[in-house]
Amino acid sequence: EVQLVQSGAEVKKPGESLKISCKGSGYSFTSYWIGWVRQMPGKGLEWMGIIYPGDSDTRYSPSFQGQVTISADKSISTAYLQWSSLKASDTAMYYCVRHRGVYCSGGSCYWGYFDYWGQGTLVTVSS
Amino acid sequence: EIVLTQSPGTLSLSPGERATLSCRASQSVSSSYLAWYQQKPGQAPRLLIYGASSRATGIPDRFSGSGSGTDFTLTISRLEPEDFAVYYCQQYGSSSTFGQGTRLEIK
Repeated sequence: EVQLVQSGAEVKKPGESLKISCKGSGYSFTSYWIGWVRQMPGKGLEWMGIIYPGDSDTRYSPSFQGQVTISADKSISTAYLQWSSLKASDTAMYYCVRHRGVYCSGGSCYWGYFDYWGQGTLVTVSS
Repeated sequence: EIVLTQSPGTLSLSPGERATLSCRASQSVSSSYLAWYQQKPGQAPRLLIYGASSRATGIPDRFSGSGSGTDFTLTISRLEPEDFAVYYCQQYGSSSTFGQGTRLEIK
């Protein structure tokens, strides 16, 4: 059974750093792209970026480039989402997702859809 | 960036009725790279439809997707009590963006 299990809820102060995790199991972790999706309180879904754990190739949505860092440790089948300096506006639920249908051709990449989702990690940033 | 606009914002129906949800794109979506997700309160979204019309594994056949270009539709043929939720469309033909969601509520 495919599972993505995320780390627990976090409460942080503005300016603090944070790294949340997503552990994959039940499939070949290095063979599928893993992404992150943000959902701010009471709002919709926003795709943040993607990593291929096999070689750590990482891409970001323009809206999140420079704001977060996505990484992975394939030895423990875990992907990460990291902030160096949190803001109150980072308060949200964050989901990791497994991508399907990803391919690149002629310099363009299609990032596919999301067939499995983690349970979500709630990040609260408040002074 | 492709902007997806879902309508209506809220749809009030009764169990057994047919639901039709719309997703309109600001420009044509390549190769019908359009997916639909269902999200219930306190839960992660669940994939329903990908490639505009292919049902994901384990999704009942009362859910169907159609459309191409800029206009896409999710249809639930006969609503079950567990179908009342928020539904999102997502395009993955140019980066990846979501619609703002349609809330399907019990009338």
